[in-house]
Amino acid sequence: QITLKESGPTLVKPTQTLTLTCTFSGFSLSTSGVGVGWIRQPPGKALEWLALIYWNDDKRYSPSLKSRLTITKDTSKNQVVLTMTNMDPVDTATYYCAHTSYSSSWFFDYWGQGTLVTVSS
Amino acid sequence: AIQMTQSPSSLSASVGDRVTITCRASQGIRNDLGWYQQKPGKAPKLLIYAASSLQSGVPSRFSGSGSGTDFTLTISSLQPEDFATYYCLQDYNYPHTFGQGTKLEIK
Repeated sequence: QITLKESGPTLVKPTQTLTLTCTFSGFSLSTSGVGVGWIRQPPGKALEWLALIYWNDDKRYSPSLKSRLTITKDTSKNQVVLTMTNMDPVDTATYYCAHTSYSSSWFFDYWGQGTLVTVSS
Repeated sequence: AIQMTQSPSSLSASVGDRVTITCRASQGIRNDLGWYQQKPGKAPKLLIYAASSLQSGVPSRFSGSGSGTDFTLTISSLQPEDFATYYCLQDYNYPHTFGQGTKLEIK
């Protein structure tokens, strides 16, 4: 059974760096054909794809946020970490991590519950 | 980035209705399209991947079709639990991009 859970601060100040951790179980990021991504959703708005890391450490980022994002994995801890620098109130959103794999044609098939991050002074 | 445009943005329908939601890509994406259902306060749920493949556990009243730039999600007979917001997602190239969503409401 695949599960994912996001953790991190619920409130950050403008200009601060956000660090979110996705802790998962039921799969290994050292297994070929697997990846974990991050998606966010501002309140009442649409989903936005942020970043993705694959089993082979290939990393992909949204070009509009690339300069602010870093995604890393720790296979021994079954974790993926997303950092976003220079946070702004417009970054207020629910942040989701999700599993993807070759078997689902690289679509996100398992999602965490999401964590709401508010950016405010 | 490829833009995904969904229509309509919102839709009112009744239980038992047949409903179709459309997603158009700004360039050809083969069949690299998925459909998600999201209910308030919940994470999205994958319904369809590769344009027409039904995700395991998803009821057969959901179906997807299309290739290239134009895609559709059809719900053959709406059930009460289907009232939600639906998103398309392309994974043809990076960045993967979502549509703006279609909110399906009870008439």
